[in-house]
Amino acid sequence: NAGVTQTPKFRVLKTGQSMTLLCAQDMNHEYMYWYRQDPGMGLRLIHYSVGEGTTAKGEVPDGYNVSRLKKQNFLLGLESAAPSQTSVYFCAAGTGDTDTQYFGPGTRLTVL
Amino acid sequence: QKEVEQDPGPLSVPEGAIVSLNCTYSNSAFQYFMWYRQYSRKGPELLMYTYSSGNKEDGRFTAQVDKSSKYISLFIRDSQPSDSATYLCAMSPFSSSASKIIFGSGTRLSIRP
Repeated sequence: NAGVTQTPKFRVLKTGQSMTLLCAQDMNHEYMYWYRQDPGMGLRLIHYSVGEGTTAKGEVPDGYNVSRLKKQNFLLGLESAAPSQTSVYFCAAGTGDTDTQYFGPGTRLTVL
Repeated sequence: QKEVEQDPGPLSVPEGAIVSLNCTYSNSAFQYFMWYRQYSRKGPELLMYTYSSGNKEDGRFTAQVDKSSKYISLFIRDSQPSDSATYLCAMSPFSSSASKIIFGSGTRLSIRP
């Protein structure tokens, strides 16, 4: 029972390149979330999903797209990476309630 | 002004000391308050969860909420080196909307053996 896993763990991109971050969960939770964590800024919600086939914008959605084609997977895409997107990205899964959010180990992304 | 303010530290205390971590907030609609612990290079994990004002105790950890002052605290008794981590406060106006959670920026805590 792995919980929430994220792929890759680390990535370095050049400005303008694209990439997809994969989040997978084996807890059968309906809700999944993508956050970014920056020094001094805390965790900020990028996009989230309340179920398979749904997505919604969070606090900082610009420059990112997401897809939830399967219940267990939530993908975060960067179409044209910018240095401002250098961050640690966390995926989480849960029931939608504030006391049940389980985080993955994170992806460290550097955009040069 | 941020909705949730948290001193980033770092805070360094000797093993066995009582630790006090704090957050202030500006939105009076917040009713659900959380503390997450985040070890280095790991994801956050929920440590304490409280509703409205009052205290909640779980082992060596006590969470305290003072809504009149818009101030929350986490106390750690008999601190251990394994408590060394970043502690994030978080809060929400609703119990059923995790998408509405606002996180503090975290306080880095180091317990010296």
